Amino acid sequence: KQEVTQIPAALSVPEGENLVLNCSFTDSAIYNLQWFRQDPGKGLTSLLLIQSSQREQTSGRLNASLDKSSGRSTLYIAASQPGDSATYLCAVMDSGNTGKLIFGQGTTLQVKP
Amino acid sequence: ETGVTQSPTHLIKTRGQQVTLRCSSQSGHNTVSWYQQALGQGPQFIFQYYREEENGRGNFPPRFSGLQFPNYSSELNVNALELDDSALYLCASSLGPGKETQYFGPGTRLLVL
Repeated sequence: KQEVTQIPAALSVPEGENLVLNCSFTDSAIYNLQWFRQDPGKGLTSLLLIQSSQREQTSGRLNASLDKSSGRSTLYIAASQPGDSATYLCAVMDSGNTGKLIFGQGTTLQVKP
Repeated sequence: ETGVTQSPTHLIKTRGQQVTLRCSSQSGHNTVSWYQQALGQGPQFIFQYYREEENGRGNFPPRFSGLQFPNYSSELNVNALELDDSALYLCASSLGPGKETQYFGPGTRLLVL
């Protein structure tokens, strides 16, 4: 059974720091991995999607890497800003018929001005 | 192009009651997936509907049921509500089942007293 774990559960950094969020998964038979952002009480916004054949994806100040063999992904945020404060969720897509997403518990990030 | 919409945004029910949540999929999408997100947790897959048929189900009891209509909008019904059903309910639509990217709505916050 696929399990997704995110470390740390919470993180507080001063503005301007570069930071790394970690995600690990137990079964390497995934179709893709996706990072989402969730603001308090809101839905999910997709940030980056990495196909299982890819190693990384970049969007602006965000870079996500995938090492399928070791079951790990990292989300790198450069030059953090207070507006980056949110919960970040990683999810792997099941390789079965539904393509269901299996989520970690999230990392709640606070960037202090 | 309209995105995924959900109604209502918030709902308060008492234990034992029944509730219906609604989701309108993004234009052109024929697949809807439902997720439950308890406070402080990642979303959990409830089930998926594809062309009006259930196409996969997570580890939820039968009192969680759904429908998909010919216009591909969807309902999630929960009978005999329990306190633990209090959560954010998210729906996501996609162009098809399996490997397609899922686009999330803003969610319905359900509180069971």
